Amino acid sequence: QEQLVESGGGVVQPGRSLRVSCAASGFTFSSYGMHWVRQAPGKGLEWVAVISHDESNKYYADSVKGRFTISRDISKNTLYLQMNSLSAEDTAVYYCAKDRKIGVRGGIFYYYYGMDVWGQGTTVTVSS
Amino acid sequence: DIQMTQSPSSLSASVGDRVTITCQASQDISNNLSWYQQKPGKAPKLLIYDASDLETGVPSKFSGRGSGTDFVFTISSLQPEDIATYYCQQYSNLPLTFGGGTKVEIK
Repeated sequence: QEQLVESGGGVVQPGRSLRVSCAASGFTFSSYGMHWVRQAPGKGLEWVAVISHDESNKYYADSVKGRFTISRDISKNTLYLQMNSLSAEDTAVYYCAKDRKIGVRGGIFYYYYGMDVWGQGTTVTVSS
Repeated sequence: DIQMTQSPSSLSASVGDRVTITCQASQDISNNLSWYQQKPGKAPKLLIYDASDLETGVPSKFSGRGSGTDFVFTISSLQPEDIATYYCQQYSNLPLTFGGGTKVEIK
């Protein structure tokens, strides 16, 4: 069955970097856009970033733009989130999620349809 | 960015009650809306997409309706296993945005 497994979370000092990973299985990874969503302790869900099925399109929430980079390795069926210049506000559970539909591109535009498969999450704590 | 306003933020209802949650978008999103259920310590689970379509395997006691800016999510008969926080999410425009969530408890 379709499955996503995150890893790489941990405790990191403010200003430092961390990369979290998401291993995908059970579906054709290269056909779907992939998302990162986070949830700070006791808070709601916050969408972080998306990468298109063909890696050509990446989009970020304003809160992480310029600090976080989303990428994927098709050969390893793995999604990544490189997080730089971390602050306490980045403390959260980070979920990867698969877009609900096979990647759709209309001219220069990419379309996304929400998330139908989620990983279990990996916890990132930014603290000195 | 499209703002999603969800209400109430919490509710308490009895087993068997009909529960309704509303979600309002700050601009027209057509039917590009999903509803998710999140139980404590767990990942969110997709229940409804395209405002009213039930995800495969999801019980029919869950339903959604609406289009444009106003949406409604309903649990027809609340059961103890439905205790969770429910979120709406729009996917009409990037960035994707979630409502603030509705925590559903048993009275």
